[in-house]
Amino acid sequence: GQQLNQSPQSMFIQEGEDVSMNCTSSSIFNTWLWYKQDPGEGPVLLIALYKAGELTSNGRLTAQFGTTRKDSFLNISASIPSDVGIYFCAGQPLNTGTASKLTFGTGTRLQVTL
Amino acid sequence: SAVISQKPSRDICQRGTSLTIQCQVDSQVTMMFWYRQQPGQSLTLIATANQGSEATYESGFVIDKFPISRPNLTFSTLTVSNMSPEDSSIYLCSAPEGIAKFFGPGTRLTVL
Repeated sequence: GQQLNQSPQSMFIQEGEDVSMNCTSSSIFNTWLWYKQDPGEGPVLLIALYKAGELTSNGRLTAQFGTTRKDSFLNISASIPSDVGIYFCAGQPLNTGTASKLTFGTGTRLQVTL
Repeated sequence: SAVISQKPSRDICQRGTSLTIQCQVDSQVTMMFWYRQQPGQSLTLIATANQGSEATYESGFVIDKFPISRPNLTFSTLTVSNMSPEDSSIYLCSAPEGIAKFFGPGTRLTVL
């Protein structure tokens, strides 16, 4: 099935640094969602974006819905060790209703050192 | 946000056997979704489970291999049938709340 292109594939950063990752698609999406998955757990929703150009924050996390509707990025400021995990973007296509299908990105593995 | 539980959390199974995974949501939802996450990979949608009708399967997934039940608006099961080592994955159920989707903790399946 289709997957979104997510980059970087992995990042190894020091505590306190800012992190940026992005997600691109050849298709238009109506909604972008960002998830974090810890080992042995299911994905946890971090931020949901509903409108092109929208910029939304959740604590140290900021995400933007690209104006073309084909991309999104996630920033994490002042990273801490508990930010370690895999981050997934996910998009829902245009013209589908509330319970529409998600397409997931390939994931960004984040590792943080002290 | 929706609270979703799954049982079992993990299992080790023998080749050729079947395993049924249960998913419970703390609120009524029209649709539930089942995903597979192969080792080191992203999530792939298996099927959409509607209450009162047959599940809708994605390309590459068939009902004989992954039968799904949806007896009410808060519960669903996914069976992995006639398992082989290639079925070793994490299986996750998901439910919508508004436009967002929430996930259960997953069932980690190992097939020997």
